[in-house]
Amino acid sequence: DIQMTQSPSTLSASVGDRVTITCRASQSISSWLAWYQQKPGKAPKVLIYKASSLESGVPSRFSGSGSGTEFTLTISSLQPDDFATYYCQQYNSLWTFGQGTKVEIK
Amino acid sequence: EVQLVESGGGLVQPGGSLRLSCAASGFTFSNYEMNWVRQAPGKGPEWVSYISSSGSTTYYADSVKGRFTSSRDNAKNSLYLQVDSLRAEDTAVYYCARVSRLGSQHFDYWGQGTLVTVSS
Repeated sequence: DIQMTQSPSTLSASVGDRVTITCRASQSISSWLAWYQQKPGKAPKVLIYKASSLESGVPSRFSGSGSGTEFTLTISSLQPDDFATYYCQQYNSLWTFGQGTKVEIK
Repeated sequence: EVQLVESGGGLVQPGGSLRLSCAASGFTFSNYEMNWVRQAPGKGPEWVSYISSSGSTTYYADSVKGRFTSSRDNAKNSLYLQVDSLRAEDTAVYYCARVSRLGSQHFDYWGQGTLVTVSS
């Protein structure tokens, strides 16, 4: 099974900050990685797929990069609506989620 | 508008069973692969099961293999998850999720979830 490890687990930031979240896969997954945003009581919402493709309707301040085993999600200028928990997901072999990164208000 | 609406959750005793349903609308359901994903309280999502567009192929997470069964009725635009031999660790919100058709197997739409609580 492919394991996904995110860091950090929690991130404290201010509106306007540039934020980067890292996701590492236990083996190469090529570019088969998605990023999701989840708010309390809601289902996850896809932001990025195929490592760097922006889902339709998602603001351009979100971007993704990486391939193989190391990936990053960057929010270029954090907005009030972005305080949430973020998950990576590999789909090279079935599907596995990371444990999540909570972005909190500093 | 794409909509996925789960139902069938509830409180069940250990060893019990439930049948979860997911009603799909706003898209051609028979063209899409579907999944079940669960999320235990305070934890991250966990993939549970996949079913192909025709229903002929299914995959399961090791944690539920032999206890959960996924099926679909394309004529009724519905997805089902039969959950048997339930354990306390199966307590979670269960979501149905659609697989994208953009040449990528991520999940592009999710339902709102149905809560399954396993407790005596």
